[in-house]
Amino acid sequence: AQSVSQHNHHVILSEAASLELGCNYSYGGTVNLFWYVQYPGQHLQLLLKYFSGDPLVKGIKGFEAEFIKSKFSFNLRKPSVQWSDTAEYFCAVNAKAGTALIFGKGTTLSVSS
Amino acid sequence: GAVVSQHPSRVICKSGTSVKIECRSLDFQATTMFWYRQFPKQSLMLMATSNEGSKATYEQGVEKDKFLINHASLTLSTLTVTSAHPEDSSFYICSATDRRDRDGYTFGSGTRLTVV
Repeated sequence: AQSVSQHNHHVILSEAASLELGCNYSYGGTVNLFWYVQYPGQHLQLLLKYFSGDPLVKGIKGFEAEFIKSKFSFNLRKPSVQWSDTAEYFCAVNAKAGTALIFGKGTTLSVSS
Repeated sequence: GAVVSQHPSRVICKSGTSVKIECRSLDFQATTMFWYRQFPKQSLMLMATSNEGSKATYEQGVEKDKFLINHASLTLSTLTVTSAHPEDSSFYICSATDRRDRDGYTFGSGTRLTVV
């Protein structure tokens, strides 16, 4: 069975600081990887996803993630965070298109202005 | 873009009553819908997967008689929490995939259920 581990439960940063949120997955086969963001009171929104090809994936709002197969990792990065990035971030995987996403526990990001 | 409407957004019910949560895909046909439950500060836990016109597939540990899922059309899935108890209080989220883009998942805004 697949599982997803997000190491950082709560990250607090000042504006303009760089961000890296860790995500590791456990699965023996090929996986599809996702990062979602959930702003307070809103639905989950896709930041980026990786299926194959270039392991460095660029998403919306200046986010990117790098798939490192040898480390089973898919860490999310942003060079300079803004106050508006304050939200909950979820890493997710699935083994096949159209099947259920398995989520990590999420990381709360708080950015102070 | 694809939109999934979920309602109600909040509901308070008395213990022993049933509550129905609706999830509609507004501008696409959802071949598959997923129902999740989210506890505070925890992950979204998959409850069940429903395909239009067939019975839902429940995850281990989820009581199918308690959490009734119906996916009668390509745009509507419902989750009914039957004989609700305080421990059923939680945040329930639906997600749908478009039959034309099975790699795309659209999420509803969630339903906060409080059982008193």
